[in-house]
Amino acid sequence: EAEVAQSPRYKITEKSQAVAFWCDPISGHATLYWYRQILGQGPELLVQFQDESVVDDSQLPKDRFSAERLKGVDSTLKIQPAELGDSAMYLCASSRTANNSPLHFGNGTRLTVT
Amino acid sequence: AQTVTQSQPEMSVQEAETVTLSCTYDTSESDYYLFWYKQPPSRQMILVIRQEAYKQQNATENRFSVNFQKAAKSFSLKISDSQLGDAAMYFCAYRSVTGGNTDKLIFGTGTRLQVFP
Repeated sequence: EAEVAQSPRYKITEKSQAVAFWCDPISGHATLYWYRQILGQGPELLVQFQDESVVDDSQLPKDRFSAERLKGVDSTLKIQPAELGDSAMYLCASSRTANNSPLHFGNGTRLTVT
Repeated sequence: AQTVTQSQPEMSVQEAETVTLSCTYDTSESDYYLFWYKQPPSRQMILVIRQEAYKQQNATENRFSVNFQKAAKSFSLKISDSQLGDAAMYFCAYRSVTGGNTDKLIFGTGTRLQVFP
């Protein structure tokens, strides 16, 4: 069964450094989501793409976070500079379309900022 | 804005027994989806069961079933014949059906389920 691929699986970085995460959705899935899951909490949406366009980035801290999905396929989420409070699991998910299609999640990238 | 509340941070159950996880939500919308997701340790989040709000019949998937009380805004998950592999974090989630492209999942804080042999 096709899966959402994410890398790296784990990342440790020092504060003020730049960090990037990569996500490759299931082939044919037009909608891609980045969620942040702080330890002990549920995931919260950071950004949602429909093809290459951002449709919701209302919770993305735009002063330090950026996301792109240039060709409407894979996506990169970047943090610069990283802060201690950014330590979390970053989950990528994809769905065939928006609304009625189920979301498929990747294994996530666990970020630790020291 | 919609919110999802899971008031049980941890639950435990004996193997082969039944356990119910609670979830309440708040919304002003009349149509929406509700979900239960399972997140095993260090593994990906997977969909357990889904309920459309316009359907009165409670969803069932093998050993998993829900008790959907729309008026009370309650959506509990019942796991029957619990197995060791059911041990995981369980998240309740809400999704709007408002059309357009914005359809994010809103998650609760999760319930950690332990299963004892």
